[in-house]
Amino acid sequence: ILNVEQSPQSLHVQEGDSTNFTCSFPSSNFYALHWYRWETAKSPEALFVMTLNGDEKKKGRISATLNTKEGYSYLYIKGSQPEDSATYLCACSTSGTYKYIFGTGTRLKVLA
Amino acid sequence: NAGVTQTPKFQVLKTGQSMTLQCAQDMNHNSMYWYRQDPGMGLRLIYYSASEGTTDKGEVPNGYNVSRLNKREFSLRLESAAPSQTSVYFCASSRRMGEGQPQHFGDGTRLSIL
Repeated sequence: ILNVEQSPQSLHVQEGDSTNFTCSFPSSNFYALHWYRWETAKSPEALFVMTLNGDEKKKGRISATLNTKEGYSYLYIKGSQPEDSATYLCACSTSGTYKYIFGTGTRLKVLA
Repeated sequence: NAGVTQTPKFQVLKTGQSMTLQCAQDMNHNSMYWYRQDPGMGLRLIYYSASEGTTDKGEVPNGYNVSRLNKREFSLRLESAAPSQTSVYFCASSRRMGEGQPQHFGDGTRLSIL
């Protein structure tokens, strides 16, 4: 079974700080990687879908990169704001099954 | 714009009782999924339906059954609930498996088995 790992598990940053998290996955038979933002008491919402090695995606202050050869993706948040506080999930699928395996998430708390 | 709707939002059952969790999507998606979310663990796939008329097991299917009633609806049934099935259950849908499209999630059902 595909193993997707995220680090760190949680972190606290000050408002205005920039931060990044890592999602690691097996590089063989990679198909796609998703990042989701999950606020407390809500449902996960898709941020990015990446499929190609070297992909970079950006939405406002949040961006992501993908390295399929070494099996990792970074999520960056520039100038963190309290409203960025959430759990950030990554999910990876392999060609053939296309089922997604989710990491356990990185819980971000931005302190005002 | 409802998206994915799950009912009920909360439920408490006694061990051995049965119940069905309902899920419906209005986005004309082909693929639907049921996950459970437990503390310290990621979302784990219970069952999925790649398209209307098909269902397949995910990582943790034991103790569950599913029905893809039509393109819109995908239900999850617990035949004889056990305390180990206490969890938060999420239904999700996507346009089509194999296209790399993101999944859209419902708000979850918090289920407690006593």
